[in-house]
Amino acid sequence: NAGVTQTPKFRVLKTGQSMTLLCAQDMNHEYMYWYRQDPGMGLRLIHYSVGEGTTAKGEVPDGYNVSRLKKQNFLLGLESAAPSQTSVYFCASSGPFEKLFFGSGTQLSVL
Amino acid sequence: AQSVTQPDIHITVSEGASLELRCNYSYGATPYLFWYVQSPGQGLQLLLKYFSGDTLVQGIKGFEAEFKRSQSSFNLRKPSVHWSDAAEYFCAVLNTGNQFYFGTGTSLTVIP
Repeated sequence: NAGVTQTPKFRVLKTGQSMTLLCAQDMNHEYMYWYRQDPGMGLRLIHYSVGEGTTAKGEVPDGYNVSRLKKQNFLLGLESAAPSQTSVYFCASSGPFEKLFFGSGTQLSVL
Repeated sequence: AQSVTQPDIHITVSEGASLELRCNYSYGATPYLFWYVQSPGQGLQLLLKYFSGDTLVQGIKGFEAEFKRSQSSFNLRKPSVHWSDAAEYFCAVLNTGNQFYFGTGTSLTVIP
């Protein structure tokens, strides 16, 4: 049972480039989330989804877009990367009022 | 709106000493509260959770936490710390929309 899988694990971008982070879960969870983790800031919610075809903004959504075309996948896009988006990104999923299952993270550097 | 405050950025304890990590929450309804631990370079692992009932909850690795509604607190405790407990600890609140909001974390150093 793979749980939550994120790809890629590492990525370096130049300012202005675009990319997509992929998240897949095999637990049939309705809820999926994207967080970013920065030193001294904890985990901040970027976007989340309460089911296939739905997305919603979290605490820090600016500069990011998401899509949930299939229940098991949640994609995070950066249209025009900025140095302020250098961070570690975590995908997570959960059932209703259950614990979060986290992916292993993506280290993104924007130069 | 909901929020979580972890007032201690960094704590250092000696191995074998007791530990208490503080967490205060702000949430209008009955909170669902969690503690997660993150070892260096790893994802987050659930230590324990509180939904309702007994205000003292037991978790993995010998951790426990006490929910105090009057103080809006959910402090994490361990009677005797082991070197392997060195990690970053996050408190989180879950709202009725099933969104988790995390505190800024407390980094724990354990000295021999």
